[in-house]
Amino acid sequence: AQSVTQPDIHITVSEGASLELRCNYSYGATPYLFWYVQSPGQGLQLLLKYFSGDTLVQGIKGFEAEFKRSQSSFNLRKPSVHWSDAAEYFCAVGGNGADKLIFGTGTRLQVFP
Amino acid sequence: DTGVSQDPRHKITKRGQNVTFRCDPISEHNRLYWYRQTLGQGPEFLTYFQNEAQLEKSRLLSNRFSAERPKGSFSTLEIQRTEQGDSAMYLCASSPRQGSGGYTFGSGTRLTVV
Repeated sequence: AQSVTQPDIHITVSEGASLELRCNYSYGATPYLFWYVQSPGQGLQLLLKYFSGDTLVQGIKGFEAEFKRSQSSFNLRKPSVHWSDAAEYFCAVGGNGADKLIFGTGTRLQVFP
Repeated sequence: DTGVSQDPRHKITKRGQNVTFRCDPISEHNRLYWYRQTLGQGPEFLTYFQNEAQLEKSRLLSNRFSAERPKGSFSTLEIQRTEQGDSAMYLCASSPRQGSGGYTFGSGTRLTVV
């Protein structure tokens, strides 16, 4: 079955600390992987995507993610978190052309000053 | 280009009423998607269009739900005889042909059925 698991429902970090949000996927074909961020009451904004090639992907707002095929993971990282990063983060997987994305349940990030 | 626009932003309706939402995608995007998001969950796929053709519908989309994209531009999502379980955020997204760039999402329409 195709699925995305985000094991951490809620993460709290201090401003300036490093961040890693976990994502594991199950997908029968070559996965296309995405991270989106959602602020309260808003739609989703694409942070970064992985289709092929270099397994370390750089995105907007200083985020990066690493694809590890052997672990079926696509974890999101940021070296130094800013208070404005507080939001909900969704990992998603799709296939060729990404006609339909399967989303995880999200990780809510809280940032303390 | 102002991105993907959805109207209305919020809708409160009584159970049993019909509601219609509109989505205006990015003008050069051929593909348009509808997703539903309930509290504490990620978005769930409902349906998508390539130009005016509806190519896939989720089993989540009961026969009370209908979506159209008549001229391959804007799209409407209608829910007939609304139920409390229809309360959710309805998200529209668009993407270029092939969908390889990832979606651009609108801000959503929050439906509350009372």
